[in-house]
Parts: sequence; C-alpha cells; structure tokens
Amino acid sequence: GAGVSQSPRYKVAKRGQDVALRCDPISGHVSLFWYQQALGQGPEFLTYFQNEAQLDKSGLPSDRFFAERPEGSVSTLKIQRTQQEDSAVYLCASSFGEGASGNTIYFGEGSWLTVV
Amino acid sequence: ILNVEQSPQSLHVQEGDSTNFTCSFPSSNFYALHWYRWETAKSPEALFVMTLNGDEKKKGRISATLNTKEGYSYLYIKGSQPEDSATYLCALPNEKLTFGTGTRLTIIP
Repeated sequence: GAGVSQSPRYKVAKRGQDVALRCDPISGHVSLFWYQQALGQGPEFLTYFQNEAQLDKSGLPSDRFFAERPEGSVSTLKIQRTQQEDSAVYLCASSFGEGASGNTIYFGEGSWLTVV
Repeated sequence: ILNVEQSPQSLHVQEGDSTNFTCSFPSSNFYALHWYRWETAKSPEALFVMTLNGDEKKKGRISATLNTKEGYSYLYIKGSQPEDSATYLCALPNEKLTFGTGTRLTIIP
C-alpha cells in the first residue's frame, strides 16, 4: 500500500496477556516513530528508529514495552503482561529523512488496544 | 522536556459558526510547528507546517497563524461543518514530534 499500515486495528487483551502490534512504514522511509495516545491526551512519544537502529526509547513507559525493527522496515511494538493502563491507541509514523525536523511525517491509522 | 499546550481541551460549535483554538509552545529554539487533524479511526492528517514568525496559511475554510516571539499559534475554522468534527493537534518537530494535548472539536448540526 501507499501509506503506513498498522495491524491489528483493534485488539482486546486480557490483563496479563502479551500483545504485538505491527507497523509497515512507507517503503524506503528511514525514520519510524511509535506513539501512545491515551483517552483525553495527546500522542506521547514512545520510541524512534533510524533504519534498524533504535536511537531513542526514552518514552517507553516500562520494561514491559519493547520495540524492534530488525531489517529497517517493518517494526513491532510488544507489550508484555498487559495492564489496564496500557489501553490506548498506538500510532506508528514514518518519514523519508532522519528525525522529525524538516520532514513530512506520515501516520498510520493506529492500533486500538483495550485491556480488560 | 518540551511543553506544548493546547486550549481549549474540547469545544462544541454550532454548524455555520466560526471558531478558533490555540497552541502554546516555548519560543526559544523554535524550528517549526505542525498542525494535524485527527478523525476517529483514521490517520492524523497534516494540515499546515508553520515556520516563520507572522506566517499565515490557509486551506479552504481552515487557516492558521504563527507568533514565534510569544510562542503561540491559532487555528481558525470559518463556517464550521459537521465534517470538521475531529481532534486538532499541534506538534513541534524536534528529533521526534512533541504533541500538544489536542482540541476535540464537535460541530452540532
């Protein structure tokens, strides 16, 4: 497809379950970002990849959160032992250049996670 | 930590009325400001990239202004329509995008 693709679009997980969220960025895009948006909040930065290198993971809220982009294209955000506070929309974005400055950022439609 | 604030948090506007809302940000080390519209279950859509103090940009009924010296940007919607209902986000692009909390706009038919 032409845009950023995320799957699953909707996920209901039982508390304690592990989940994996996938992001297919636009082909050739160097930068990939993950954001978390909880209800009533703006998107909060989680992590940033430049190709396969995870250059910033300062936003990951706990060690239950792990992200990878092993071949510099598809990325997976994994949440272990999900908690109710993990319920949020997880947005993936990509850009052709490095970082967000001076680059057009393209977003996916988000993965909506509900932990029950 | 970059502090980007938006107000109001939510807004209900009668169809046909005009409205505006604010994004505030630190004026030091300003590079650019992005405005996005995010409709539920869709991708955030880029509206404007503002870079210069005094910038004014327009896209149909939506326009935006920028004051980098005092650290704010306004988004205006003229003659609101139901399809304008969405969350409007501003963001500063440093190495990553730092978003404001958003303004949720609901247009009442």
